[in-house]
Amino acid sequence: NAGVTQTPKFQVLKTGQSMTLQCAQDMNHNSMYWYRQDPGMGLRLIYYSASEGTTDKGEVPNGYNVSRLNKREFSLRLESAAPSQTSVYFCASRETGRLNSPLHFGNGTRLTVT
Amino acid sequence: AQKITQTQPGMFVQEKEAVTLDCTYDTSDPSYGLFWYKQPSSGEMIFLIYQGSYDQQNATEGRYSLNFQKARKSANLVISASQLGDSAMYFCAMREGRQGGSNYKLTFGKGTLLTVNP
Repeated sequence: NAGVTQTPKFQVLKTGQSMTLQCAQDMNHNSMYWYRQDPGMGLRLIYYSASEGTTDKGEVPNGYNVSRLNKREFSLRLESAAPSQTSVYFCASRETGRLNSPLHFGNGTRLTVT
Repeated sequence: AQKITQTQPGMFVQEKEAVTLDCTYDTSDPSYGLFWYKQPSSGEMIFLIYQGSYDQQNATEGRYSLNFQKARKSANLVISASQLGDSAMYFCAMREGRQGGSNYKLTFGKGTLLTVNP
């Protein structure tokens, strides 16, 4: 069981470069999420997709775009990276149908923007 | 205003003792849920326990239990018989929004770093 797979694990970008963080889940979950984790800030929601074909902004969407490519895949794109986007990014998915179903997280992508 | 507040940036406990990690929340939605996650130094997020706003009893999962006080809007995590492997960051998170609704998402607190001493 792979669960939620994120690629890459580590990335260093220069200011102004672009990149896409990939996320795929094999649990047939409808909902997928992107969070960023910064020291002392907990996890903050960037974007989420309640179901295939829909995406919504979270708490900190500026500077990011997302694509729900299909039910399995949800990518996060940084069009012009800034040092403030240095963070650890987590993708997560959850099963819809139960209120108590938890988010299942990937192992994170550590991004540094210089 | 913060929706989830974890007031203890760091906590220390002796091995084999119990420890309580605090979490208070703010919501006007009558249907909500509280999750606790553990993040060891390796970085992965591990789901521990869930409490729904309509659940009649406090949730328990092995050595983890939730002290849920709805009137005080608190959902404290209790870890009994602490082990060295419990040393980690612990996050409280709140679910708002109804099942199937497009606004179902989790809001996280800032976390508490627990250190278990031998």
